[in-house]
Amino acid sequence: EIVMTQSPATLALSPGERATLSCRASQSLGGNIAWYQQKPGQAPRLLVYSASTRATGIPDRFSGRGSGTEFTLTISSLQSEDFAVYYCQQYYNWPPMHTFGQGTKLEIK
Amino acid sequence: QVQLQESGPGLVRPSETLSLTCNVSHYSITSGYYWGWVRQTPGKGLEWIANLYHSGNKYYNPSLESRVTISVDTSKNQFSLKMNSVTASDTAVYYCARGAYFMDVWGKGTTVTVSS
Repeated sequence: EIVMTQSPATLALSPGERATLSCRASQSLGGNIAWYQQKPGQAPRLLVYSASTRATGIPDRFSGRGSGTEFTLTISSLQSEDFAVYYCQQYYNWPPMHTFGQGTKLEIK
Repeated sequence: QVQLQESGPGLVRPSETLSLTCNVSHYSITSGYYWGWVRQTPGKGLEWIANLYHSGNKYYNPSLESRVTISVDTSKNQFSLKMNSVTASDTAVYYCARGAYFMDVWGKGTTVTVSS
């Protein structure tokens, strides 16, 4: 099983600041990673897939990059609605055995 | 736009079978995409359970495969999950979602508690 490790567990920032969230995979994924945002009481929302492609309707302040085992999600200028939990997910294998990171909680400082 | 809605009992007794259905609106399951289930617990986080294609391909998380069955009813435009021999560790929020690799559309989720 591919293990996804996210860091930090919690990130406290102020609106307008830049956020950088990290995800490390236990083996190379190529670019087969997605990022999700989850707010309390809601389902995860797809932000980025294929490491760097924004999903439909996602603002351009969200950007993903990386390949192999190291990936980042950057939010260029935090808005109040961006404070949430963020998860990475790998989809390297087929037949599928998708796994998620444990999440990074982005909170208001 | 496509919408997914989970339904099923909120309480299941230990050792019994958990049964959930996902109704798909504004999109025909037979038009494409894989459809599947993900669950979320405070302890284990998000866990992919299974997915399927309407024509028959089905895939399962190896850790759950012995207890789980995913199926589709194209006449009702819905798909289902059955998990047998449940224990307290199966208590979770269960989501249905669209996608073979990443999941681009999710249901709101349904909470299932396993308790006597």
